[in-house]
Amino acid sequence: AAGVIQSPRHLIKEKRETATLKCYPIPRHDTVYWYQQGPGQDPQFLISFYEKMQSDKGSIPDRFSAQQFSDYHSELNMSSLELGDSALYFCASQKTMGLVDSNTGELFFGEGSRLTVL
Amino acid sequence: AQSVTQLGSHVSVSEGALVLLRCNYSSSVPPYLFWYVQYPNQGLQLLLKYTTGATLVKGINGFEAEFKKSETSFHLTKPSAHMSDAAEYFCAVSFSGGYNKLIFGAGTRLAVHP
Repeated sequence: AAGVIQSPRHLIKEKRETATLKCYPIPRHDTVYWYQQGPGQDPQFLISFYEKMQSDKGSIPDRFSAQQFSDYHSELNMSSLELGDSALYFCASQKTMGLVDSNTGELFFGEGSRLTVL
Repeated sequence: AQSVTQLGSHVSVSEGALVLLRCNYSSSVPPYLFWYVQYPNQGLQLLLKYTTGATLVKGINGFEAEFKKSETSFHLTKPSAHMSDAAEYFCAVSFSGGYNKLIFGAGTRLAVHP
């Protein structure tokens, strides 16, 4: 079965550079979530999109932005990179059913993109 | 607000011994509860989940968890640990129904020794 695809898997950048991470959700999934996991930390929610609109925002720095495109893939753009941005970035997708239907609540995670800022 | 507390950042057991990883949650609405496992340098894999219905849920690799509303707990257990169970385990909570952002606990690293 198709899974969530993230690219690139590894990325090395210098301080003050920019980086773009891409996420391709499972087909027919309409919701995408981005999480940041620092070394030895739990995943922290950054931002989410439902039907191409931002649905929620967490601890995402102002230097970061994201969007979801018409084909439902999402991109996380990070500018003015800092050493502290070094982390594993996860994307997850979900099929969010209507209010009438029960929602399984399950998020399907990609393998993550490891960003190293030097 | 929702939150998750995992008791014990590191748990060490012998191969064949019982595994018990503790998770307590706080939620003002009926929660959905999850356990994810993360192997080194890999993504998050769902072990099991509780949404509604039976409070004892069985997952992959012989793991199970019981939702206890009175104790606001969702502890993860496995009767007999295997070396391959060594990994980081995350408990997570979300709102029931509709939008489902996950809130993760700090994680518990399970070590299994011979």
